[in-house]
Order: sequence, then C-alpha cells, then structure tokens
Amino acid sequence: DIQMTQSPSTLSASVGDRVSFTCRASQTISSRLAWYQQKPGKAPKLLIYEASRLQSGVPSRFSGSGSGTEFTLTISSLQPDDFATYYCQHYNKYLWTFTQGTKVEIK
Amino acid sequence: QVQLQESGPGLVRPSETLSLTCTVSGGSVINYYWSWIRQSPGKGLEWIAYISHSGTTNYNPSVKSRLTISIDTSKNQFSLKLRSVTAADTAVYFCARHGPGSWYSFDTWGQGTLLSVSS
Repeated sequence: DIQMTQSPSTLSASVGDRVSFTCRASQTISSRLAWYQQKPGKAPKLLIYEASRLQSGVPSRFSGSGSGTEFTLTISSLQPDDFATYYCQHYNKYLWTFTQGTKVEIK
Repeated sequence: QVQLQESGPGLVRPSETLSLTCTVSGGSVINYYWSWIRQSPGKGLEWIAYISHSGTTNYNPSVKSRLTISIDTSKNQFSLKLRSVTAADTAVYFCARHGPGSWYSFDTWGQGTLLSVSS
C-alpha cells in the first residue's frame, strides 16, 4: 500500500506570510492528488486537483505543485480566511486516502 | 449549483444497522459518481464507499464486509447501510460528488451528519 504523510502537522503564521505544506508518498505516485481546506464544523473544500489544477472559484493565491513522491500546497499571501486545516488526498486503485492534515494557526 | 444533504438517525446502538441517505438537489445523480466519507477524531478523514450512477460500487477494505451503498436515480438520492456498528463507527459522515473535472477528487460535499454509536 502507498503511505501518504503530510508535514508539518501544525504551522503558525501571520497574515501576509507565504506558507507551504508538503505531502510525501512512500513510492512514486501519479498526479491523482488533491488538496482540501477544512474549517471547524464544516465539510472539506476542494482547492487543488490533479496536483496543480486550481478548482473553480478558489483564489489564485493557492497553488499546487510536485510530482513523483513529493507534492506541495502553497498559499502565496496568507489571508485571515485561510486559517484552517489543510489535507491532501490521493487516489490509487479504487482507494481514496487522506492525510492527517496541517493546521494553520495565527502566530 | 448542486447541493448535497445527508440525513440519518444521529444515534445508533451497538450491533445495529446504520442507514444514511444523501439527497442531491440542483443537479442529477445521473452521469456523476458519488462517495461517502467519514471523519472521526481518531482516524481523520476516511473514504468508505463509492457508487456510479449506473450502480457500480467499491468499498474501503476496512469496512467492506459491513457496508452497502446504493443509488435511487428516481429520487436523486444515494444511500449507505453499515451493519454491526461499534463505537469505532462514531463519526461525522459526509456524502460527496466526484469532480467532473477530475474523478479522483471530491468537488462538492454535504454539510455532514454526526453519527454516535452508544447504548
């Protein structure tokens, strides 16, 4: 089975900061990777699909990159609305898996 | 804009069967693919079942033996039955649509329904 890990688990940042989270796979994977944002009491919201494609309606400060075993979500300038938990999700052979996420906190 | 709404009992006793329904509004279940995903503090987000509009299904091996997913195109709904529930099945259950842009991700989610398993 492919194991996915995300780091860091918590990130403290300020408004305006450039922040990045990394999702690593235990072996080379396809670009069938997505990123989600979740706020307390709400459902996850799709931000990026197929590793680098921006979901419609999502601000352009969000971007995804990577290939092989390492994928990154970057927020170019953190806004107050961006303090939330972020998850990556991978698909392989009819199994969709999520990581434990990165919580972005106010510094 | 398509919207999803989960409905369920809220509380189920151990060993009983859980039934959840996802009602789709503002769009059709036809020509799309649908899943159930649950979230608990201990296990995080866990995909558990998938169904196509034509009824093709797939399940997470962790719950496959206890789970049945079905779809009713006439009611624009899809449903989940989880048998022999235990406390470990306590979670928020989300229904979600596989993205038309990418079947490998979920572009629309319901608000979630909390299921507690307790006697």
